[in-house]
Amino acid sequence: EAQVTQNPRYLITVTGKKLTVTCSQNMNHEYMSWYRQDPGLGLRQIYYSMNVEVTDKGDVPEGYKVSRKEKRNFPLILESPSPNQTSLYFCASTWRNNSPLHFGNGTRLTVT
Amino acid sequence: AQSVSQHNHHVILSEAASLELGCNYSYGGTVNLFWYVQYPGQHLQLLLKYFSGDPLVKGIKGFEAEFIKSKFSFNLRKPSVQWSDTAEYFCAVNQGGNTGKLIFGQGTTLQVKP
Repeated sequence: EAQVTQNPRYLITVTGKKLTVTCSQNMNHEYMSWYRQDPGLGLRQIYYSMNVEVTDKGDVPEGYKVSRKEKRNFPLILESPSPNQTSLYFCASTWRNNSPLHFGNGTRLTVT
Repeated sequence: AQSVSQHNHHVILSEAASLELGCNYSYGGTVNLFWYVQYPGQHLQLLLKYFSGDPLVKGIKGFEAEFIKSKFSFNLRKPSVQWSDTAEYFCAVNQGGNTGKLIFGQGTTLQVKP
């Protein structure tokens, strides 16, 4: 089944403790992206990747890192999480950047 | 900077009422336009998209949207809503070309009363 898989679905952590949210797609998509969803703000793009080893900042990249060593994986790394990074995170992928996105099921992160 | 604005933040309708959700964007060049829907507790799913051609596009579940270039708008419509349409709706805009940036509106929560 074609899908975008994020893990974990829920994560509660403390300020400063490094964490990684994984994202994997099995559709051989070139384009992958991370968003955070906050009430009243919609989805805001954190980082995106046009292909392996090609990443770029979205609108809200501060406090986040990504890597794209393989086509299928696009992990989101929070080196030192802070409470303002408490949010719902979505990974998405598609064939090309201007094609409809396939979304993962989301990761709800709480940083205390 | 580019922006996408959805005018209605929270809409409450009764079943069978007609729906129109507004979406305006700020980019003046070629754009690709999308409407996504997020049912409670789920991820976003594509409702419909516009790349080029007929500005009136039809999507799933009876939804349609009209692209009006002169008004920078891409409003979503449905003639008769159902309780199952209760969800959050997002408009999104991508510049034509290889830019990688997709910008979402703030979202509109639709509540349909049975």
